[in-house]
Amino acid sequence: KAGVTQTPRYLIKTRGQQVTLSCSPISGHRSVSWYQQTPGQGLQFLFEYFSETQRNKGNFPGRFSGRQFSNSRSEMNVSTLELGDSALYLCASRRTSGGSGEQYFGPGTRLTVT
Amino acid sequence: GQNIDQPTEMTATEGAIVQINCTYQTSGFNGLFWYQQHAGEAPTFLSYNVLDGLEEKGRFSSFLSRSKGYSYLLLKELQMKDSASYLCAVPYYGSSNTGKLIFGQGTTLQVKP
Repeated sequence: KAGVTQTPRYLIKTRGQQVTLSCSPISGHRSVSWYQQTPGQGLQFLFEYFSETQRNKGNFPGRFSGRQFSNSRSEMNVSTLELGDSALYLCASRRTSGGSGEQYFGPGTRLTVT
Repeated sequence: GQNIDQPTEMTATEGAIVQINCTYQTSGFNGLFWYQQHAGEAPTFLSYNVLDGLEEKGRFSSFLSRSKGYSYLLLKELQMKDSASYLCAVPYYGSSNTGKLIFGQGTTLQVKP
């Protein structure tokens, strides 16, 4: 079974621009969560989508948004980029019934804002 | 609130045993996850504990004490490839079905020859 995929893997943007990141979950996984990882803050939850609806949201400004499509693929968007948005953005998918609900992470998108 | 504490760094010798501790404070508890993350790679799932006690999975074991808010990951017969960051995480306020995990800062383990 293919794992979680994320595109692009690397991205360089300028302050003020916006960016869209994509995530394809493991087949059959309907929940997709997004995390931001930085050396100083570690892994921080951004939001979770299930059945095209946002279920949970972390403590990030409204510049961070996301959506999920009917095939469970998800995108996140960051508008008006700031230098502090430079981070590794990870998405994770999970089964929502049975098991321990562990999340499976994609390889991440490394975003650099200059 | 929720808080997770882990040591920042640990060093151990190849072939040895190392224990990585994690303490947590949370209102509501529904299990604790351990993930391994090699530099530049995605976190990978190692274990999930919801009941007290030790669960063994090959060279890796994970222990939980709910009354003490404490868990540890035990790595035996250390190999160089075990050099990685080890992350402890709990579901947001003990929700039983959530994709929102609260992670500790991670423990960077360096295995030396």
